[in-house]
Order: sequence, then C-alpha cells, then structure tokens
Amino acid sequence: GIQVEQSPPDLILQEGANSTLRCNFSDSVNNLQWFHQNPWGQLINLFYIPSGTKQNGRLSATTVATERYSLLYISSSQTTDSGVYFCAMDPGGGADGLTFGKGTHLIIQP
Amino acid sequence: DAGVIQSPRHEVTEMGQEVTLRCKPISGHDYLFWYRQTMMRGLELLIYFNNNVPIDDSGMPEDRFSAKMPNASFSTLKIQPSEPRDSAVYFCASRLSGRGTYEQYFGPGTRLTVT
Repeated sequence: GIQVEQSPPDLILQEGANSTLRCNFSDSVNNLQWFHQNPWGQLINLFYIPSGTKQNGRLSATTVATERYSLLYISSSQTTDSGVYFCAMDPGGGADGLTFGKGTHLIIQP
Repeated sequence: DAGVIQSPRHEVTEMGQEVTLRCKPISGHDYLFWYRQTMMRGLELLIYFNNNVPIDDSGMPEDRFSAKMPNASFSTLKIQPSEPRDSAVYFCASRLSGRGTYEQYFGPGTRLTVT
C-alpha cells in the first residue's frame, strides 16, 4: 500500500524559531494536503499542494512530486502553532481516499 | 458557506449498543469520505462515496460497520453492535470534483467512547 512518512515525529521549539517538517510518499501524487490538528482535535486545512510552492503568511509549503516529498515551513513560530501537523496524499487513478502520515507533534514554548 | 457538519460531537455508549454518526457534506460536493482516528492506527480511510454511491469500502473494519448516503446532503456511519475498541474520533470529509482541485474539507469529528 501507499506509504506516507513524516519527520521529525516530535519537535520542541522556542517561540520565534523557524522549522521545517518533511513528508515522504511512496507513490505518484494526485492530491497532497497539509493539515494542522489543533488542541481541540479539529483538522485545519493548511495547503493543497500536489506540486510547486505556496505561501500563506508565516507558513509555506513545497512539493517536489518527481522526488516524492513535500516540505512545510513555519517561520517565526508562535505558541498557537503548537499541535500535530499531518501530511496526507492520494495517488488518484480511482484511489481517492487520503493516506495520512503519523504526523509531527510540534510544541512551541513561550 | 457552512463547512462539513457532523453530529453528535461526542457520543458515549455501552458495549453492544447501536451507534449512528451523521454527516452533512458541503453543499454541492460530490465526494464524501469517512475516516477514523485512533492512537494505535492514526487517521485511516473507512469508506468513500461519489454521487451517493459507495466506491471503496475496503477500510471498513468489519461487518459491524455500515455506511449509507441516501442523498447528496446526508450520510450515516453505523456501528452495530459497538465494542470498546471502536472508541475513536470519526471524521467526515467532502470534496468537489471537476474544478481542477482534489482538496478535501473535514468536519469537526465525532468523538465516540464505548464503555
């Protein structure tokens, strides 16, 4: 089956620091999304990014589909950035459900 | 526009009881997905529908689980009988096809506890 691997599994940073989260996947990509699961358990859409680069405020993401990885950058971290970040993808071709990675648990300390 | 709506938000039930989880997708979306999140298995796809028709139910854990989509605005996930190992957060998501994007939008989830 499809493999989605995220690293690092845990990350503790001070407020103001920058971070890079990585997602490797084993198949061609039709859909790739990054989510933030907040402390209340809600999955917040961050990026839909099957290829290329996007930026939204302090967050940006890059997917290199040919090399089967995606990166999420968080700059000038704030305590509200804490939570779990998930990468999820589907290969298309009739397989439309997302396969999720295990997530990166990010803690931003004041 | 309202997002994906799920009810109830929390459900506590006793082993052996029937549980029904409900989902209303974003209006106009033609794909609907059910996922489950547990500590052991993470987030996993259970089943998805396209135009109210089940397409892939290979993630449904066993016959105790069933899902229906009687119309474009409503889907249910039923567990009968429920067991403690079914305790999890169940998410519903929807997507619109044909617009050059495959982005899925998730509801707030239903936290199920089976005692």
